[in-house]
Amino acid sequence: DAGVIQSPRHEVTEMGQEVTLRCKPISGHDYLFWYRQTMMRGLELLIYFNNNVPIDDSGMPEDRFSAKMPNASFSTLKIQPSEPRDSAVYFCASSQPGQYGYTFGSGTRLTVV
Amino acid sequence: LAKTTQPISMDSYEGQEVNITCSHNNIATNDYITWYQQFPSQGPRFIIQGYKTKVTNEVASLFIPADRKSSTLSLPRVSLSDTAVYYCLVGEVRAPSGGSYIPTFGRGTSLIVHP
Repeated sequence: DAGVIQSPRHEVTEMGQEVTLRCKPISGHDYLFWYRQTMMRGLELLIYFNNNVPIDDSGMPEDRFSAKMPNASFSTLKIQPSEPRDSAVYFCASSQPGQYGYTFGSGTRLTVV
Repeated sequence: LAKTTQPISMDSYEGQEVNITCSHNNIATNDYITWYQQFPSQGPRFIIQGYKTKVTNEVASLFIPADRKSSTLSLPRVSLSDTAVYYCLVGEVRAPSGGSYIPTFGRGTSLIVHP
């Protein structure tokens, strides 16, 4: 099992550009979560999906952020346009029925200059 | 949702036992207590979960008193590699289908193990 796979590991972009972060959950997991981590705010839940359907997106900071899950094996988090304050580490996590806890990916470190 | 309170930081030395306590006064009947560990540049990793009394695995022990208003994560004989941030979460094991359970991590406890 390769675990939760995120890409890219690092992303540096200029302010105003579109950024797309990708996540492949563990096969068979029916919940997928997107988190953002910064020194100031800690680990924040942005949005989560159940069976590819968005359940709660109240953590998404602004309309510039959007997330999709077109199928059970892929999800994207898009920021358009990006701003320097979006700089953070973005984590994806998934879980399966009966599993204790969530499995996190290694994260994408986003730097917006 | 039950709010959790845990120390911001702790220091220890190699070979010592470390106990991190988490307060969750408003824990609900269906809530479990889950602890995660996060190393720098990595995502959080599940380490242990419990409902009541004591749970032990190869990594840690979790002590939960009868009133369940607090819990203590115990790390036996820590090493330098145990330096990490430890998060206490309280909530249902699984979000109800269609519900809005939000697993909240908070700021965690930063444990530094010294030589």
